[in-house]
Amino acid sequence: SQQGEEDPQALSIQEGENATMNCSYKTSINNLQWYRQNSGRGLVHLILIRSNEREKHSGRLRVTLDTSKKSSSLLITASRAADTASYFCATDAGTYKYIFGTGTRLKVLA
Amino acid sequence: DSGVTQTPKHLITATGQRVTLRCSPRSGDLSVYWYQQSLDQGLQFLIQYYNGEERAKGNILERFSAQQFPDLHSELNLSSLELGDSALYFCASSPTPANTGELFFGEGSRLTVL
Repeated sequence: SQQGEEDPQALSIQEGENATMNCSYKTSINNLQWYRQNSGRGLVHLILIRSNEREKHSGRLRVTLDTSKKSSSLLITASRAADTASYFCATDAGTYKYIFGTGTRLKVLA
Repeated sequence: DSGVTQTPKHLITATGQRVTLRCSPRSGDLSVYWYQQSLDQGLQFLIQYYNGEERAKGNILERFSAQQFPDLHSELNLSSLELGDSALYFCASSPTPANTGELFFGEGSRLTVL
């Protein structure tokens, strides 16, 4: 079963708008990561947030983590057409494996 | 370019056949992960190796097997293939055995079973 589940499954916005996607997970974690996947390509790491962190920024990305709710959100500000991709969260679940969520398909319209 | 190399990029075969997918991790990375991604689905964790040893196992079918060789490259063997095995198979590497850092993904091997 999936450890993480993203919400929404799909999101369509206009260029320049902000995009927010959420990830919920089931068990305790040491860290949570967000990845981007362009259609049919390999995943690219975006950001890692540790369980003792609440918020992290990287360029136009902002990630929050709420361990009490077992949830994380990824905010992409001032979106661009090039941000069109699928976004996945991944959690370690305290084991040697990273479990990925089902992904959010983001489409940014020019 | 992540530095992770997967071959072949595309593979078409018939049901009942056997294939081998190969992964060369980034230079210096000791951990290799294998994932399966079916059409428009999330990634299913299959197996992880660290420096030649199996460290974690996920939803890997008995028809599938993997190993990591002394030079750290890894192979995923898929046998008695079924239509449902058609998917993108990703390899990822990381420098650590534990989940403390990012994974570097290859571009995947797309398997089509006819």
